[in-house]
Amino acid sequence: SQQGEEDPQALSIQEGENATMNCSYKTSINNLQWYRQNSGRGLVHLILIRSNEREKHSGRLRVTLDTSKKSSSLLITASRAADTASYFCATVPYNNNDMRFGAGTRLTVKP
Amino acid sequence: DGGITQSPKYLFRKEGQNVTLSCEQNLNHDAMYWYRQDPGQGLRLIYYSQIVNDFQKGDIAEGYSVSREKKESFPLTVTSAQKNPTAFYLCASSNPGGKGYGYTFGSGTRLTVV
Repeated sequence: SQQGEEDPQALSIQEGENATMNCSYKTSINNLQWYRQNSGRGLVHLILIRSNEREKHSGRLRVTLDTSKKSSSLLITASRAADTASYFCATVPYNNNDMRFGAGTRLTVKP
Repeated sequence: DGGITQSPKYLFRKEGQNVTLSCEQNLNHDAMYWYRQDPGQGLRLIYYSQIVNDFQKGDIAEGYSVSREKKESFPLTVTSAQKNPTAFYLCASSNPGGKGYGYTFGSGTRLTVV
């Protein structure tokens, strides 16, 4: 079963703008992760946030986690055309070690 | 360089055939996973393995089988019982056991039924 749901399904912005993607999930988690996928390729791990953390930064990425609302957001600042990809959130539950993915947000950054 | 290698990159299967997708990792990761991705959709978990000689069904295991005889290898067999196997298959690994660490993914195998 899918755990996370990303919103929006697709996002188109101009280079230099910020991109915000949201993720909602259903069950208690140990951690939440964000991944990037270029078309037809494997996924690349971007950032992990644990259930006891509220915010993490990595370069131009900022992730927030609100466990009371069971939601997370990924902010990409000063976007570049090379950021064009699909972005997925994934959750790892407390009771086992397997990870579930959402359907993803397709981000297009126009030069 | 350490990583995960999936082969082949493209695979064509005739109706009623079994095919096996290869996944090898040299990261010394304990856990390995198989996911299926359909066009425009997220990943769905097929099978996962936390240790050698042990594996668990994911959400869509019907029509698939796996083995974990070596730590480095986690092949996936798509059997003739899988009615709609055309999809993109992704293998991943993690250590230790997945909690608190990101997954490393292979580059995928695209399977098409002809």
